[in-house]
Amino acid sequence: SQQGEEDPQALSIQEGENATMNCSYKTSINNLQWYRQNSGRGLVHLILIRSNEREKHSGRLRVTLDTSKKSSSLLITASRAADTASYFCATALAPMFSGGYNKLIFGAGTRLAVHP
Amino acid sequence: KAGVTQTPRYLIKTRGQQVTLSCSPISGHRSVSWYQQTPGQGLQFLFEYFSETQRNKGNFPGRFSGRQFSNSRSEMNVSTLELGDSALYLCASSFGQGAKTYEQYFGPGTRLTVT
Repeated sequence: SQQGEEDPQALSIQEGENATMNCSYKTSINNLQWYRQNSGRGLVHLILIRSNEREKHSGRLRVTLDTSKKSSSLLITASRAADTASYFCATALAPMFSGGYNKLIFGAGTRLAVHP
Repeated sequence: KAGVTQTPRYLIKTRGQQVTLSCSPISGHRSVSWYQQTPGQGLQFLFEYFSETQRNKGNFPGRFSGRQFSNSRSEMNVSTLELGDSALYLCASSFGQGAKTYEQYFGPGTRLTVT
């Protein structure tokens, strides 16, 4: 089974609204990353948050991490039509579980549609 | 810097054939990872190479193999293709130094269709 589970599976909002996506995972992590994918193309890295961090910001993006609940959220503020994409959380497991390095376990993703 | 490049972008093969996909990482990146993306299984980790050595492997059969060259370029090979191998194959490069995990930069992918 996948390490990360995302919620909701799909989200439809109007331009200007905020979009929140959640991710839960099962095993201790080294860090958690969020990626965006436009229509079956390559993934674009958004934010990396380490296990000892609680919150990170990048432009209109805000990511939180709660390791006690094994969950993370991605908030996109003031969304735009160009934000329409699939968003994935990916966990890098703690070395004891994965051998460390760059093995990422992806969730199923949230499909975000932003309507003009 | 140029991004990650993958060739070919599209490929159609017949069951039983083999295929080789190529990935050129960002200059200076020594780690290359491969992922398979399908509608049913989502994104799954295949393997990672660092300095020409495979240092992590996902749960795929031995038909899936890869290698990395001294210039960090990587290839993956799938032998005896099956219909279920139809997927988008994504390559990602990262700095990869040491035991830390870094953000990964993905290429546009190779879409493989097996008929």
